[in-house]
Amino acid sequence: NAGVTQTPKFRVLKTGQSMTLLCAQDMNHEYMYWYRQDPGMGLRLIHYSVGEGTTAKGEVPDGYNVSRLKKQNFLLGLESAAPSQTSVYFCASSWEGFEQYFGPGTRLTVT
Amino acid sequence: AQSVSQHNHHVILSEAASLELGCNYSYGGTVNLFWYVQYPGQHLQLLLKYFSGDPLVKGIKGFEAEFIKSKFSFNLRKPSVQWSDTAEYFCAVNAPNNNDMRFGAGTRLTVKP
Repeated sequence: NAGVTQTPKFRVLKTGQSMTLLCAQDMNHEYMYWYRQDPGMGLRLIHYSVGEGTTAKGEVPDGYNVSRLKKQNFLLGLESAAPSQTSVYFCASSWEGFEQYFGPGTRLTVT
Repeated sequence: AQSVSQHNHHVILSEAASLELGCNYSYGGTVNLFWYVQYPGQHLQLLLKYFSGDPLVKGIKGFEAEFIKSKFSFNLRKPSVQWSDTAEYFCAVNAPNNNDMRFGAGTRLTVKP
């Protein structure tokens, strides 16, 4: 039982490049989330999903897209990376919106 | 939308000292409240949670928190901290049936041996 896993762990992008972060969970959770963590700002919700095929915007959705084609996977895409998107990205999942289980994070640097 | 304030950005304590970390939220309705901990280099883990019932909740590793509805507060406490409690602590809130969880900015706790 791996819980929540994230791929990759680290990535460096140049401004304007695109990439996709993958989150996978094996707990059969309906709800999945993407957050970014910046110093002094805690975690901020980017997008979330309440089930396969559904997505919704969180607090800071601009510049990101998401897809939930399979229940166990939640993908976060950056179409044209900007230095302001340098951050640590955390994925989480939960059962019916209660306590969330977090992945190990992806550290992204955009130069 | 709800918001969360954590008053202390960095707290430094000696081992065996008592700990209290403040958390206030702004939301007029019923809320679910959480404290998460992030040890250096690790992901967030749930310390404790409050949904309803007894406002004094106990979590893992000797932590507890008290929900005071009139003060919109959910402060975290531990009677005697250990060096291994060095970590960053996040308070979070969401409304029931609302998936938009809001986190505080976090409090970094350093415990000196």
